Amino acid sequence: DGGITQSPKYLFRKEGQNVTLSCEQNLNHDAMYWYRQDPGQGLRLIYYSQIVNDFQKGDIAEGYSVSREKKESFPLTVTSAQKNPTAFYLCASRSDFTDTQYFGPGTRLTVL
Amino acid sequence: KNEVEQSPQNLTAQEGEFITINCSYSVGISALHWLQQHPGGGIVSLFMLSSGKKKHGRLIATINIQEKHSSLHITASHPRDSAVYICAVTGNQFYFGTGTSLTVIP
Repeated sequence: DGGITQSPKYLFRKEGQNVTLSCEQNLNHDAMYWYRQDPGQGLRLIYYSQIVNDFQKGDIAEGYSVSREKKESFPLTVTSAQKNPTAFYLCASRSDFTDTQYFGPGTRLTVL
Repeated sequence: KNEVEQSPQNLTAQEGEFITINCSYSVGISALHWLQQHPGGGIVSLFMLSSGKKKHGRLIATINIQEKHSSLHITASHPRDSAVYICAVTGNQFYFGTGTSLTVIP
């Protein structure tokens, strides 16, 4: 089945540690996105990538980094510079032919 | 100011009721999306529309481009419809509303 996978579903880290969230898609989509969701707020764009080896900052990129070495993979690293990293993180990819985004199941990160 | 506003924020309905969720936007768009997020967190796309009306089972989505407004209707609501419904628009980027949390009581 085609889709987007994110792992792990729940992640706990100590303050000051970097952590990498995985996102893999087998939909052959060029564009991929990382969003952060906090209670009472809409999804906010962290980073996006339109094509392999290229990515752009979104609205709240500070404290995060990404890579796009393969079309299928778009990992997000939450660094110790992110002041409030506890949140729900969603990865998405977009069809090349429509505007529809396909979302992964999300990773809930808790920093202790 | 949010580019996408939804109302209501929270909605509780009895099983069988007709439900309407509203979405207004302030940017130029190429498409509007209705998304459903279940308690586990995963999001699925319900509709993408750029004009008129679409229907899928008990769900109906309409859009009025001139008024920059869309509605999502659920007919004969059921407890399994309980979820957060998110309106999103595609302009030069994706803009998301804060969501409407729907609870349908048996």
